[in-house]
Amino acid sequence: DAGVTQSPTHLIKTRGQQVTLRCSPKSGHDTVSWYQQALGQGPQFIFQYYEEEERQRGNFPDRFSGHQFPNYSSELNVNALLLGDSALYLCASRLQVTDTQYFGPGTRLTVL
Amino acid sequence: GESVGLHLPTLSVQEGDNSIINCAYSNSASDYFIWYKQESGKGPQFIIDIRSNMDKRQGQRVTVLLNKTVKHLSLQIAATQPGDSAVYFCAENGNRDDKIIFGKGTRLHILP
Repeated sequence: DAGVTQSPTHLIKTRGQQVTLRCSPKSGHDTVSWYQQALGQGPQFIFQYYEEEERQRGNFPDRFSGHQFPNYSSELNVNALLLGDSALYLCASRLQVTDTQYFGPGTRLTVL
Repeated sequence: GESVGLHLPTLSVQEGDNSIINCAYSNSASDYFIWYKQESGKGPQFIIDIRSNMDKRQGQRVTVLLNKTVKHLSLQIAATQPGDSAVYFCAENGNRDDKIIFGKGTRLHILP
């Protein structure tokens, strides 16, 4: 039973560029959330996807967008990258009817 | 506003002793709390959760205590082992949705 997987593991971009991060949820899970974790901080909620729609959103600008596919996998897109977007981006999944979220290993994004 | 915070950023414990990690929360309406463990280079790993209708919940070597009167949460780890070295986050999911609110974390350091 595979857990949550994310790709790529690491990524380096320059300011102004765009990036796409990918997540495959744990087997059987239908809900995916994305979090941003700055160094030394706790993760912060970006948004959640269920039934291919964004259901909730945290305090992140429109530069952050996402998508969920029919197989429940998800993408996080960030446009016009800023230095402050450098962080570990975490994907978490759960089954909609349950509470427990399971996190992936994250994608480390560095913006130069 | 909502916030979840921890009393100490770093905790050093002798191997074999019990560890106690504390957490305070401010949202009196919070009804669901989670402890996560995050090892270096990995995503947060679910340890144990507790709902507000409980004061105590036990898992394997871990116990979570909830004091709603003073809005305090603690995680007790019995017979601490080297593999327990990590950053521990308390988190709140008051609306039973995907917006988990994390504290800043406590680093647990195991002394030989």
